[in-house]
Amino acid sequence: EPEVTQTPSHQVTQMGQEVILRCVPISNHLYFYWYRQILGQKVEFLVSFYNNEISEKSEIFDDQFSVERPDGSNFTLKIRSTKLEDSAMYFCASILDGNNYGYTFGSGTRLTVV
Amino acid sequence: AQSVTQLDSQVPVFEEAPVELRCNYSSSVSVYLFWYVQYPNQGLQLLLKYLSGSTLVKGINGFEAEFNKSQTSFHLRKPSVHISDTAEYFCAVIRGTSYDKVIFGPGTSLSVIP
Repeated sequence: EPEVTQTPSHQVTQMGQEVILRCVPISNHLYFYWYRQILGQKVEFLVSFYNNEISEKSEIFDDQFSVERPDGSNFTLKIRSTKLEDSAMYFCASILDGNNYGYTFGSGTRLTVV
Repeated sequence: AQSVTQLDSQVPVFEEAPVELRCNYSSSVSVYLFWYVQYPNQGLQLLLKYLSGSTLVKGINGFEAEFNKSQTSFHLRKPSVHISDTAEYFCAVIRGTSYDKVIFGPGTSLSVIP
């Protein structure tokens, strides 16, 4: 069964550093998403991306965050200057099209900011 | 705006006993309903979904859920739990637009006691 792949599985970074989280969505999917789960809390929507532009973003997704699909396979989330409160599990997800409700989530990247 | 409530943050249950995890939602528009499971240190896996049709939906691992529009509920049930069902369970909704963001509930931690 096709998978959404996220790398790395765990990343530790120092406060103030830039970090890039990488995702490879399922190859024929068209809509891409990032979600965040702070430890012990619920999963929160960050941003959706379609046709090479942001479709929607949450209030969490401020100027420190950006997303990019640099080539035909990768989908990245960049945090420009990490803060302690950015420590969380970040999930990438993708779906095929507007008629498919089968979101596929990646296994996540645990980001620890020290 | 949509919201999802999971009244029970933790549910301990003995092995082979039945379990029900409760989920209520609020929305001014039609929604699609989902249950996801997150095993320790893993990603999100879709258990089942309700899009339309029969209000009783069956999912993987012997779980089922019933959509009740009048009570705006989508409770998850399993007649006999196993140790391996120990995990975090998230109820979620998507608005009528199928590529819209997933809104998650706060989660219910199911602990199966041997």
